[in-house]
Amino acid sequence: QKEVEQDPGPLSVPEGAIVSLNCTYSNSAFQYFMWYRQYSRKGPELLMYTYSSGNKEDGRFTAQVDKSSKYISLFIRDSQPSDSATYLCAMSLITGNQFYFGTGTSLTVIP
Amino acid sequence: GAGVSQTPSNKVTEKGKYVELRCDPISGHTALYWYRQSLGQGPEFLIYFQGTGAADDSGLPNDRFFAVRPEGSVSTLKIQRTERGDSAVYLCASSLVGGGTSGYSTDTQYFGPGTRLTVL
Repeated sequence: QKEVEQDPGPLSVPEGAIVSLNCTYSNSAFQYFMWYRQYSRKGPELLMYTYSSGNKEDGRFTAQVDKSSKYISLFIRDSQPSDSATYLCAMSLITGNQFYFGTGTSLTVIP
Repeated sequence: GAGVSQTPSNKVTEKGKYVELRCDPISGHTALYWYRQSLGQGPEFLIYFQGTGAADDSGLPNDRFFAVRPEGSVSTLKIQRTERGDSAVYLCASSLVGGGTSGYSTDTQYFGPGTRLTVL
């Protein structure tokens, strides 16, 4: 079993839709949770990071962590065609530096 | 300011050859990481440097892979006797502090564009 599970999609939504992306994990020691966006043939770009449980909002993006369920989510409101990319969740131990990534979810926002 | 840069952007080599991949981290970042990303997969950790020393090399798949960071800035990932299974995008990331036994919390990692390695 992989440490981080993520549905690879692909996910296709109309412009303006609310998008929900999710990851589950098995290691209860993970404390630091990130979402990266990766455009084709580019490096991952940090979108959101959260420490421990709770919600964090930044513009159209909301990151949610539920440690009791070992489940994290990224919500994108008013999705735009420019949001079309692969979204990677990542997490790490508080004293570690290795990031554990999901496989990524491919998102297409149709104009 | 300038982000993480990696050269070359693409490298095609033949099975059995030796390759070097270079990473230039963000200026002032003390921590540097190498990851490998296969098609349709997320990045997989290879090695982490804090300054000049490799603080964690547990992700290196075998002894054909080696990385150095002699002056605490630029790093080179070296692959000997390349195999077709080594074909992937090799990503480098840097962060300001890094964590580990120092007790700092994990710091944000900023990624470069990657080097696409193809072994024929």
